[in-house]
Amino acid sequence: GIQVEQSPPDLILQEGANSTLRCNFSDSVNNLQWFHQNPWGQLINLFYIPSGTKQNGRLSATTVATERYSLLYISSSQTTDSGVYFCAVVGGGGADGLTFGKGTHLIIQP
Amino acid sequence: NAGVMQNPRHLVRRRGQEARLRCSPMKGHSHVYWYRQLPEEGLKFMVYLQKENIIDESGMPKERFSAEFPKEGPSILRIQQVVRGDSAAYFCASSPRTGVGANVLTFGAGSRLTVL
Repeated sequence: GIQVEQSPPDLILQEGANSTLRCNFSDSVNNLQWFHQNPWGQLINLFYIPSGTKQNGRLSATTVATERYSLLYISSSQTTDSGVYFCAVVGGGGADGLTFGKGTHLIIQP
Repeated sequence: NAGVMQNPRHLVRRRGQEARLRCSPMKGHSHVYWYRQLPEEGLKFMVYLQKENIIDESGMPKERFSAEFPKEGPSILRIQQVVRGDSAAYFCASSPRTGVGANVLTFGAGSRLTVL
């Protein structure tokens, strides 16, 4: 099946810093989503972005499907941004379920 | 729109008991997915269902686990004779699969199962 690798696995930043999270995938995709799992375990849908660029406030994402990667940008980090960020894809081979990466664990210190 | 509703949020069972987890999809969504998250790990796909149909159960353990999505009522993930290794967070997601946002999955808050 499709492989999803996220980097870095852990990231510790000061409040106000910017960060870039990366997601590489091993095959063509017809669905790519970024999620934020907050410290209470809830999964928040950030972006549906199988290709192109989207922005939502301090967050933006870019997927370059031909090169099989996606980037999540967080600007002016706040402590509430802490948690685990997951990239998940559905391969173009017809499988129906999202395959998740192992996530990037982000800690924003005040 | 109440979103994807899962209950119970927390469930404690002793080894050998049964666990039943429920999921009501978002209004207008006819497709349900179940995922399992073990501690400190990512989510693993278990099963994908439409009403009265299992579409893909490639991620389901062969024994003790079953899922259904009846014509009326929520989707149910059932775990028989639970063991300690079943302790995990179980997430449900739904999607419309047609129209705008067809492939976008929205997740519930999860059900956390603890097996003593």
